[in-house]
Amino acid sequence: EVQLVESGGGLVQPGGSLRLSCAASGFTFSGFWMSWVRQAPGKGLEWVVTIKPDESEKYFVDPVKGRFTVSRDNAENSLYLQMDSLRAEDTAMYYCARANNYAFDIWGQGTMVTVSS
Amino acid sequence: DIQMTQSPSSMSASVGDRVTITCRATQVIRSWLAWYQQKPGKAPELLIYAASSLQSGVPSRFSGSGSGTDFTLTISNLQPEDFATYYCQQAESFPRTFGQGTKVEI
Repeated sequence: EVQLVESGGGLVQPGGSLRLSCAASGFTFSGFWMSWVRQAPGKGLEWVVTIKPDESEKYFVDPVKGRFTVSRDNAENSLYLQMDSLRAEDTAMYYCARANNYAFDIWGQGTMVTVSS
Repeated sequence: DIQMTQSPSSMSASVGDRVTITCRATQVIRSWLAWYQQKPGKAPELLIYAASSLQSGVPSRFSGSGSGTDFTLTISNLQPEDFATYYCQQAESFPRTFGQGTKVEI
């Protein structure tokens, strides 16, 4: 079964850091671009970042540039999002998603990040 | 950045209705448009990619059309399980951007 499972979310104070993980299974992880998409409570979807299979290309949404980094371990079938200098506006459900045919065809169940003092 | 605007933002419909949701891009995105369905508390699910290609496993009552800047998602014969929020998303360029969503209510 093709599956993505996120972990690492939680409550963090403003200015703090958090590392999200996404474990992939059921497909050849190393063959796909991967992304993170977030959704603030009661709001719409916001694309955050996309990473190429060999990590040679990474694209970020402007509000997170310089604060978030993305990486992957193809041997471990895992995607990561390191989030530093977190702000209240980063509070959201974070979804890991597979990019295929220029769309996000597989999504994880999401992991909630809450930035609050 | 390419902005995506959906209309309407919300709508009421009945089982059996034909529903049309539109999505407009601020720049030409050729056919690089996807549609997603999201139910409360769940992750989004891909319905349509490349503007008109039906994702595997998605019922044929869902269809997409359009190219350039104007796109349409049509749900024919609305079913109870179709009451949800729908999003369009452009894949022409980075940053990827989504429409604000269309909530289809009973």
